[in-house]
Amino acid sequence: QVQMKETGPGLVQTTQTLSVACTVSGFSLSSYGVHWIRQAPGKGLDWLGVIWGDGNTNYNSALRSRLSISWDPSKSQVFLTMNSLHTDDTAVYYCAGNNSPRLWYVLDAWGQGASVTVSS
Amino acid sequence: DIQMTQSPASLSASLEEVVTITCKASQGIDDYLSWYQQKPGKSPQLLIYDATNLADGVPSRFSGSRSGTQFSLKIRRPQVDDSGIYYCLQSFSTPWTFGGGTKLEL
Repeated sequence: QVQMKETGPGLVQTTQTLSVACTVSGFSLSSYGVHWIRQAPGKGLDWLGVIWGDGNTNYNSALRSRLSISWDPSKSQVFLTMNSLHTDDTAVYYCAGNNSPRLWYVLDAWGQGASVTVSS
Repeated sequence: DIQMTQSPASLSASLEEVVTITCKASQGIDDYLSWYQQKPGKSPQLLIYDATNLADGVPSRFSGSRSGTQFSLKIRRPQVDDSGIYYCLQSFSTPWTFGGGTKLEL
């Protein structure tokens, strides 16, 4: 069973850089994609990007210039980095993936989310 | 980018109704459409994938359908536990995009 858990800083300052880690278990990062999704308070889900099993990445068009997704397969970790933070980047940041490589296009495994507050 | 227009934004339903939530894609996405349920303070959970297939453990009162670029999620005789926010997601092409969400109250 795939499990995912996010670890984030909790509070960051505006203009600084956010780093959130996703630690996965139950699968190899080289077999599955890991996605990042965020949810601002009271708002909907916003897909941020993905790192695929071959290490290639895709990003949200509006946030592409500020985002980076990387990984360390030896530690089963995926990292989301976002620079030039604004207060409206305050959100819960989720990593998500899937339990079956056949269903690579659905998200049936989610972490519990990391709450991040951006404050000036 | 593919836009997913979801409606309604919110609805209140009785336990005897059939609830219908729709998502319209701005272009063709084949059946790369999934539905998720989110309860307060919780992570989203997969309900339906391939537009019509129920995820494991999802009650049969949930169903999905497709007509062209319009997708629907139906809940027959919803239960109180079905209250929450529902989202569609297109995974036909990157960037993936979610619908705006539908808040269901029972």
